[in-house]
Amino acid sequence: GQQLNQSPQSMFIQEGEDVSMNCTSSSIFNTWLWYKQDPGEGPVLLIALYKAGELTSNGRLTAQFGITRKDSFLNISASIPSDVGIYFCAGRQGGSEKLVFGKGTKLTVNP
Amino acid sequence: NAGVTQTPKFQVLKTGQSMTLQCAQDMNHNSMYWYRQDPGMGLRLIYYSASEGTTDKGEVPNGYNVSRLNKREFSLRLESAAPSQTSVYFCASSPRTGGLYEQYFGPGTRLTVT
Repeated sequence: GQQLNQSPQSMFIQEGEDVSMNCTSSSIFNTWLWYKQDPGEGPVLLIALYKAGELTSNGRLTAQFGITRKDSFLNISASIPSDVGIYFCAGRQGGSEKLVFGKGTKLTVNP
Repeated sequence: NAGVTQTPKFQVLKTGQSMTLQCAQDMNHNSMYWYRQDPGMGLRLIYYSASEGTTDKGEVPNGYNVSRLNKREFSLRLESAAPSQTSVYFCASSPRTGGLYEQYFGPGTRLTVT
């Protein structure tokens, strides 16, 4: 089935650094979503994007819907220890009820 | 608002036993979903229900059945559990109206089949 390529798979950064991760596909998507999952918890929605080129922020997090509609990006500024977790991208193609998920980026923040 | 709730949180089954995982949402969402999450595999869709009274297969439906009991509740049944069904199961719901397709997840059920 359809897949989203999420990179990097893991990141080890120092507290205070900025983080960038992305999600790409060979197909066009109409919706891009970014989730964060803490250990032992369910994924929590961070940002939803619905228009090509859209740039949306949620606190220190900023996500963009790529102009080609085949990719999306998530940036975290000035990382803090509680940013640790797995970040998932998800996309929805036109006419579909379903989301396609990336395999996640595992973020570790060293204090 | 409790959001999406799931019961139980943990379960251990023996091979061949059956059980039902329960999910409920209080956000008046139209669509509900069941996923399983395994290490290195990400989230995989088992079944979904686009609206009350309808259900459809996802990517990995074999060995599972679902029931959309009403708009709030969507249950997942394992008729004869197998070790390959050891996983973390998440239920999610989505408005799916007004162009809103984001999904909201429950806390998960951690299932071990021995």
